[in-house]
Order: sequence, then C-alpha cells, then structure tokens
Amino acid sequence: GAVVSQHPSWVICKSGTSVKIECRSLDFQATTMFWYRQFPKQSLMLMATSNEGSKATYEQGVEKDKFLINHASLTLSTLTVTSAHPEDSSFYICSASDIEYYGYTFGSGTRLTVV
Amino acid sequence: GQQVMQIPQYQHVQEGEDFTTYCNSSTTLSNIQWYKQRPGGHPVFLIQLVKSGEVKKQKRLTFQFGEAKKNSSLHITATQTTDVGTYFCATDSWGKLQFGAGTQVVVTP
Repeated sequence: GAVVSQHPSWVICKSGTSVKIECRSLDFQATTMFWYRQFPKQSLMLMATSNEGSKATYEQGVEKDKFLINHASLTLSTLTVTSAHPEDSSFYICSASDIEYYGYTFGSGTRLTVV
Repeated sequence: GQQVMQIPQYQHVQEGEDFTTYCNSSTTLSNIQWYKQRPGGHPVFLIQLVKSGEVKKQKRLTFQFGEAKKNSSLHITATQTTDVGTYFCATDSWGKLQFGAGTQVVVTP
C-alpha cells in the first residue's frame, strides 16, 4: 500500500525559533498533500492543502505567514512553523492519497513542543 | 463545508462485548470513510462507503452507510483489547477530509 513518511516524529524547540516538518510519499507521487493539526483528545483539523508546484491553499483561520508550506516535488511537502510559540505546540500530521488505493494515507505525525 | 457529527465521544467496553459508534450529517454525503487512531499514533484508513445502504464487513467490524447517505455506523462485535483507540468517520469533500470528533474506545479486560 501507499506509504507516507513524516519527520521528525517529535521536536522540542524554543519560543521564537522555526521548525520544519517533512512529509514524503515513498512509493507514489502526490501532487496534493494535506496538513492537519490535532490537539490532545481532539479531532484532526485541516490546516492547508499543499499543491505541487503552486501555492498552498490554507483553511480559514490558519496564518499563511506562520505556517509556511512548500511542495517542491511530487514526493515532498514541508511545513515550517515560523516564530513558534507555546500555543503552537500540537500534533501535526500530513496525508496524501494514492489513486491506486481508497482513502488517505497519513504520516506518523510530528509532536511539536514549544518551550 | 460538510460537517459530520459523531457519537458517542467516549465508549468504555468490556472485553467480549459489542459496541457501535455513529456518524451523522445534516446534508447528503457523497462518501464516508472510517479511520482508526491508536493512542499516540496516526489515523489509519479502514474503509470507504459510497453507495446508499451499503454494508461492508472486515472481520469483527461492520460498516453501514444509511439509505439517505446522511449517516453511517461502525459496529464492532466481541471487542478485544486490540480495538483500543479512537475511531473517526470522515467525509471526502473535493479532496479535503472533514473529520468527525471521534469515538475514543477503552476496553476493560
């Protein structure tokens, strides 16, 4: 089946610094990838749609300048949390869909803690 | 966008018992997907339903899509400790997944 690799699995950073999270489709090409955010005991909230070769589409209420998305190739999308603050601490997960299979494949997620 | 409401939020089940989680929408859904997320893990795709009245089974899991395509259910029989996790329904709308709130399942041995 489709495999999506996400790194790092967890990261602790200081307030004010930036953190980059990578999402790779390992055995298929993904022209579109999705970035979600999940707070403890809550559901997944779509943050943005990452489009290969073009600008990402952000959901309402998500700051474009704070959550920078780059989808430079058909297998890689990155999410950079800029000037991170403690309230940005969350579980960030990417996903992609392989047309060969139903459903979406999720990366293993990145647990971000800003101190 | 389309919203899906999911109940119950929590489900405590004794090992061996059955339980059901429900997903409802006020609008007709083109499809419904179900995912399972283990504690500390990521969502894993279970199934997709697209037809009115569709029923699909995966071993002890039975998935249903309502006749009006406004509700869906996941029924698990003879619950095992491996069933622990949060079960989410979601609908795929123009490539975007809208998730329900999830049902967190705790299994008591």
